[in-house]
Amino acid sequence: DQQVKQNSPSLSVQEGRISILNCDYTNSMFDYFLWYKKYPAEGPTFLISISSIKDKNEDGRFTVFLNKSAKHLSLHIVPSQPGDSAVYFCAASGASGANSKLTFGKGITLSVRP
Amino acid sequence: GEEVAQTPKHLVRGEGQKAKLYCAPIKGHSYVFWYQQVLKNEFKFLISFQNENVFDETGMPKERFSAKCLPNSPCSLEIQATKLEDSAVYFCASSHELPNQPQHFGDGTRLSIL
Repeated sequence: DQQVKQNSPSLSVQEGRISILNCDYTNSMFDYFLWYKKYPAEGPTFLISISSIKDKNEDGRFTVFLNKSAKHLSLHIVPSQPGDSAVYFCAASGASGANSKLTFGKGITLSVRP
Repeated sequence: GEEVAQTPKHLVRGEGQKAKLYCAPIKGHSYVFWYQQVLKNEFKFLISFQNENVFDETGMPKERFSAKCLPNSPCSLEIQATKLEDSAVYFCASSHELPNQPQHFGDGTRLSIL
């Protein structure tokens, strides 16, 4: 049973436009949510996170929105750049240290066209 | 250091041989996590440590897999009597504290069992 779902395997956007990457989760015990970016042959790179007490967190071009009642989060990238082309993973963990392992979605491949 | 360092980058073993992977966490980080990426976009949690103590081993296969984090040494993940199905990329991550702190990943070790 997949607890973190990224239902769209790929997304293609024009440079300068907004990229919106979606993620859904089923486990109500998840309390902390993260987005990672991954290039081939490299490890996931942390982008941005949000805890369940917030509904929005912004860092430069990246904004994460959390809708806890819908168990849905999204990552907005504005403006999109060709260097943003990568696989993006949504991940979640629980509230306590003992539940700190990350549960990942299957990722979405973002392509930003010049 | 400022990055999670994993060695070797690529390890090739014949079926039945032993494999040992190493991870040096970011300096000052108390928590270390191991994940296995078997299929291209699926991460599976294996085990975590708080300093040299096992924190969560719920994802660790009961047989053949073992891990350690000893003081003043890189952490290690060892697989005895490897099988073809152990072929995967093994990622190590570290975190300063828990909960609600991001995990930072190394670039992984690609284990190929022939």
